[in-house]
Amino acid sequence: GAVVSQHPSRVICKSGTSVKIECRSLDFQATTMFWYRQFPKQSLMLMATSNEGSKATYEQGVEKDKFLINHASLTLSTLTVTSAHPEDSSFYICSARFYDEQFFGPGTRLTVL
Amino acid sequence: QQQVKQSPQSLIVQKGGISIINCAYENTAFDYFPWYQQFPGKGPALLIAIRPDVSEKKEGRFTISFNKSAKQFSLHIMDSQPGDSATYFCAASRGSTLGRLYFGRGTQLTVWP
Repeated sequence: GAVVSQHPSRVICKSGTSVKIECRSLDFQATTMFWYRQFPKQSLMLMATSNEGSKATYEQGVEKDKFLINHASLTLSTLTVTSAHPEDSSFYICSARFYDEQFFGPGTRLTVL
Repeated sequence: QQQVKQSPQSLIVQKGGISIINCAYENTAFDYFPWYQQFPGKGPALLIAIRPDVSEKKEGRFTISFNKSAKQFSLHIMDSQPGDSATYFCAASRGSTLGRLYFGRGTQLTVWP
């Protein structure tokens, strides 16, 4: 199957700093990637849809200026959490669309101290 | 509003038994119904998926049953094994929305040896 990677897998940062998470489709090109957030024992919450070469579409309630998404190439999308605070601590997961299926990355655990 | 409703929230099955997870949806425009398996600290992995033109799809020990008129679909895991212990998510999407997935709340499956 199609492989999606995320980097880093785990990050700990101080409050007020910015963190960048990369999502790569390793063996296919993805014009559309998705970013999710998942709290413990809960379902995935879609944050935004990222289309290559255009601005991301954010879900209602997601702060665009806080969660910056860039989809600069057909194999890479990045999520930058700006001025992170403890409430931003979560598990962030990306997925990439391949035909009509979505393949997920392994996730990034963000802890903001 | 929850677009896809999933039950039960948790399920305990003995090794060798059958695990059954049910999902229901309202939007008749949905045309793709995947199931994902997620282990703790990992991203979801596509398990099996079905489209409305068939009523059942089987892959190994995993079977999706689909009832279009009732707007319901279910996952059956035959001969359940301890290694199947994970959280399972059903989802639905429409081809017209670039693959945006609407997830159920998830089912935590525990298979006792």
